[in-house]
Amino acid sequence: AQKITQTQPGMFVQEKEAVTLDCTYDTSDQSYGLFWYKQPSSGEMIFLIYQGSYDEQNATEGRYSLNFQKARKSANLVISASQLGDSAMYFCAMREAHNQGGKLIFGQGTELSVKP
Amino acid sequence: DSGVTQTPKHLITATGQRVTLRCSPRSGDLSVYWYQQSLDQGLQFLIQYYNGEERAKGNILERFSAQQFPDLHSELNLSSLELGDSALYFCASSVSGGPSTGELFFGEGSRLTVL
Repeated sequence: AQKITQTQPGMFVQEKEAVTLDCTYDTSDQSYGLFWYKQPSSGEMIFLIYQGSYDEQNATEGRYSLNFQKARKSANLVISASQLGDSAMYFCAMREAHNQGGKLIFGQGTELSVKP
Repeated sequence: DSGVTQTPKHLITATGQRVTLRCSPRSGDLSVYWYQQSLDQGLQFLIQYYNGEERAKGNILERFSAQQFPDLHSELNLSSLELGDSALYFCASSVSGGPSTGELFFGEGSRLTVL
């Protein structure tokens, strides 16, 4: 079974509008971390935002916020006021506390295109 | 800048050859992770080292090997290269090598093209 599922292979959004990128996860751990990374066409992986499983409040970082719904095992990324530079691949990832070594498990990604 | 350095950034080679990718983790980080990103497989975890020792193994082919040196830099060796090995190879580092939920810091990747 997929540990991280991103159901939107591609998304379009108009510049200055908000967009939500979906992510669901599967774990039996009580302690885990959820991450979103951005990968522009240049290839580097840019860390955007982190949510710990015990964090009671949704994480926010500037225009990025993470809509964490623990019971639904959902960790959607919300980008407000989209900019042309937001066009990129976005990956949701999880790190489980029980996981020896603590590797990150990634979803398949969502390609976001911001239209002017 | 994540503080993780990977070299080379680009590499073009022929089938059957061997290459070495190098990674220097962030200062103070003891753990290094290697990932392969290809179009058909997505981001796949290959192997992890912590303070010089192998800690976890993922979908790493037998033709591939890695090590972490006393100065904590790591090398990923890819041998008998095939066309399908063409991919972006990432190194990431973290302070902890054990169960943790904290952030991993990624390098910019090494893009390997096998012709």
